[in-house]
Amino acid sequence: DGGITQSPKYLFRKEGQNVTLSCEQNLNHDAMYWYRQDPGQGLRLIYYSQIVNDFQKGDIAEGYSVSREKKESFPLTVTSAQKNPTAFYLCASRIAGGPADTQYFGPGTRLTVL
Amino acid sequence: AQSVTQLGSHVSVSEGALVLLRCNYSSSVPPYLFWYVQYPNQGLQLLLKYTSAATLVKGINGFEAEFKKSETSFHLTKPSAHMSDAAEYFCAVSTGTGANNLFFGTGTRLTVIP
Repeated sequence: DGGITQSPKYLFRKEGQNVTLSCEQNLNHDAMYWYRQDPGQGLRLIYYSQIVNDFQKGDIAEGYSVSREKKESFPLTVTSAQKNPTAFYLCASRIAGGPADTQYFGPGTRLTVL
Repeated sequence: AQSVTQLGSHVSVSEGALVLLRCNYSSSVPPYLFWYVQYPNQGLQLLLKYTSAATLVKGINGFEAEFKKSETSFHLTKPSAHMSDAAEYFCAVSTGTGANNLFFGTGTRLTVIP
């Protein structure tokens, strides 16, 4: 089955540690996205990538980093510079066509800082 | 610039009653509009989208939405609520330029009362 997988589903981190969230898709989509979701704030864009080896900052990129070495993979690293990392993180992908193309979402990773 | 406003962070309806979730948009270009649904601790699933082909858009699970340019609205409706409709609903607008990123509203949590 085609889809987007995120791992792990739950992640606990101690303050000061970097952690990496995995996102893999087998939909052959060109564009991939990372969002952060906090209660009452909707989804906010962290980073996006329209093509391999290229990515752009979104609205809240500070304290995060990404890479796009393969079309299928877009891992997100939450660094110790992110002051409030506890949140639900969602990865998405879409064919990089026009503005009506649908973004498809993974099941999410819930990160908790202890 | 594009943005969406969802009126009402929480909506409660009785089972069998009409569901109406409100979304107003602002866009400097012809908008492409989306409704997504999110069940607890899951990713987002597309309900329907407006792509300028027809102003009344039918989606999955009996939902539909009507694009009204004069009111800059794209409200989501369902004639008869079911218990399984309880979830969070997000309206989103495509930026329509450049990377065609989505900009999300803050969401509306729907509760269905038996």
